Amino acid sequence: SYVLTQPPSVSVAPGKPATITCGGNNIGSKGVHWYRQKPGQAPVLVISYDSDRPSGIPERFSGSNSGNTATLTISRVEAGDEADYYCQVWESSSDHVVFGGGTKLTVL
Amino acid sequence: QIQLVQSGAEVKPPGASVKLSCKTSGYTFTTYGISWVRQAPGQGLEWMGWISGYNDNTQYAQRFQGRVTMTRDTSTSTAYMELRSLRSDDTAVYYCARDEAGQVPDYWGQGTLVTVSS
Repeated sequence: SYVLTQPPSVSVAPGKPATITCGGNNIGSKGVHWYRQKPGQAPVLVISYDSDRPSGIPERFSGSNSGNTATLTISRVEAGDEADYYCQVWESSSDHVVFGGGTKLTVL
Repeated sequence: QIQLVQSGAEVKPPGASVKLSCKTSGYTFTTYGISWVRQAPGQGLEWMGWISGYNDNTQYAQRFQGRVTMTRDTSTSTAYMELRSLRSDDTAVYYCARDEAGQVPDYWGQGTLVTVSS
């Protein structure tokens, strides 16, 4: 089965950029989606198909995908961005949705 | 606005079954499927499967094959997920999410906590 690898944690100071990576074999050939999950809440889609922002998601959130790594970037981190972030792809060979293990973003 | 409202928390003994509901509103139910995703305490997200919005076609994650059934009721715009032969490691929050083609869950319900305990 397809495996997505994320760093367990990322820490960043307020106002600085945060980068969260998602590694997978030739992930650049797949559409990557990113979710933010705050404690006790359901996940929220923040980036779809590598770099599309759903309605209501701030422009500070952006995504890219190439080769074996997809990246979620938050340009100027705010305290309210502290959450777990998950990447996700659809694996065509199995017709399954696959999630990464998640990254806890801490705002210092 | 798009809403998915899930049924309340459940406590079940090992070996029992649980059937969760997910009532949708704010969009055309038959245009979008529903994915079910669970999250064990302190753990990540795990996709369980998907049911089509157009018909009763389903796609289940391999590890749940034979133990899960997803259904829908178009008259009430409600999706259901039944999990059988519950074990303690099935204790988790179960989410439903709108998912057009079983590829990108976009809008999520609030989650249902299922506790498996004797």
